[in-house]
Amino acid sequence: NAGVTQTPKFQVLKTGQSMTLQCAQDMNHEYMSWYRQDPGMGLRLIHYSVGAGITDQGEVPNGYNVSRSTTEDFPLRLLSAAPSQTSVYFCASSYVGQGNAEAFFGQGTRLTVV
Amino acid sequence: GDSVTQMEGPVTLSEEAFLTINCTYTATGYPSLFWYVQYPGEGLQLLLKATKADDKGSNKGFEATYRKETTSFHLEKGSVQVSDSAVYFCASGGTSYGKLTFGQGTILTVHP
Repeated sequence: NAGVTQTPKFQVLKTGQSMTLQCAQDMNHEYMSWYRQDPGMGLRLIHYSVGAGITDQGEVPNGYNVSRSTTEDFPLRLLSAAPSQTSVYFCASSYVGQGNAEAFFGQGTRLTVV
Repeated sequence: GDSVTQMEGPVTLSEEAFLTINCTYTATGYPSLFWYVQYPGEGLQLLLKATKADDKGSNKGFEATYRKETTSFHLEKGSVQVSDSAVYFCASGGTSYGKLTFGQGTILTVHP
């Protein structure tokens, strides 16, 4: 019973490097999202998707790209990492069309940009 | 836009003490409300939820009641345990799909 799987768990990047954070879910959820967690600021929405081929920006999208080619996968790309992107990143999924639906979260990726 | 405000933390209690973590929200429409818990080194997991006014969510001894008149969803537990030490997040659910707005989180530490 995998749920939402994120890889890697930890990553250190140099400023200017690019990388992709992977997220996969096996619950056939249409809605997937990426959040970043910073001390004292809760979780802030970066990007989200309501289905394959459909993505949209959240509260803090700058510096990040996403795509959704399949229902299962929703990778987050950092094009040119900056120290301000040091954070813990969480991927989540839930059913579409149900505002009361539970969101399932991955274990998180702790990213440090030096 | 929607917003969620939690009480300032961290909160430190002795085992068996009473816990209250305040949460208020602003939203257009009538969102669903959630409490999520994050144990050290883990992702968030749903603790309880309420989908309409006057609903009470409960789980593992925790309770919260959806109060539309005060736009609040305060988390309570009558007797906390050391194992309850975690970060607690209040969240409001989007009325269209699974988009969530989170509060800033409250760190709870329970001492024996």
